[in-house]
Amino acid sequence: GDSVTQMEGPVTLSEEAFLTINCTYTATGYPSLFWYVQYPGEGLQLLLKATKADDKGSNKGFEATYRKETTSFHLEKGSVQVSDSAVYFCALSVETSYDKVIFGPGTSLSVIP
Amino acid sequence: DTGVSQDPRHKITKRGQNVTFRCDPISEHNRLYWYRQTLGQGPEFLTYFQNEAQLEKSRLLSDRFSAERPKGSFSTLEIQRTEQGDSAMYLCASSSSFGQTNSPLHFGNGTRLTVT
Repeated sequence: GDSVTQMEGPVTLSEEAFLTINCTYTATGYPSLFWYVQYPGEGLQLLLKATKADDKGSNKGFEATYRKETTSFHLEKGSVQVSDSAVYFCALSVETSYDKVIFGPGTSLSVIP
Repeated sequence: DTGVSQDPRHKITKRGQNVTFRCDPISEHNRLYWYRQTLGQGPEFLTYFQNEAQLEKSRLLSDRFSAERPKGSFSTLEIQRTEQGDSAMYLCASSSSFGQTNSPLHFGNGTRLTVT
């Protein structure tokens, strides 16, 4: 079935370091891809999305490119801040008539000053 | 936009008891979803409503689980004869089918269930 795999955490980085969180997916059909973020004490929220191959989603300095050939959607940020500390979930939306989302296991990121 | 609201935030119950959770979606959203999340895992899809119609149920949703959305607004998730394995965070999300496709899901803060 459809699934998402992402790199295990926790990931600890110093402020201003470069971030990459790897994500790969398995899907029948042509999914849309998402990164959701969960800040401490808050609900899940959409960070960025891409709906077709080679699309780049971006938000708050984060970027991810939909790579159909490698079935990947890696999250990157050039310079992380302490406020980026959160759990990041890669996700896909299956090709059905509604927005059902399948999530990966999440990667916890801690950024230290 | 007041966001998705879930009640209660926490619920502790004894094994074998029934529990009911409530979700109030964003008012103009016609789609509502329930997910379950355990520690260290991503949310797992449980069920989906479009307006008042329940259109899909996951195999995770045993016959002890039932969800309703009677007027297409708020929703309830009931778990009968709770088991320790039901301990998890139960998340509600909503989205709109009007306009753009792949509308983002808006999540509530969840109800944390502990079965003792």
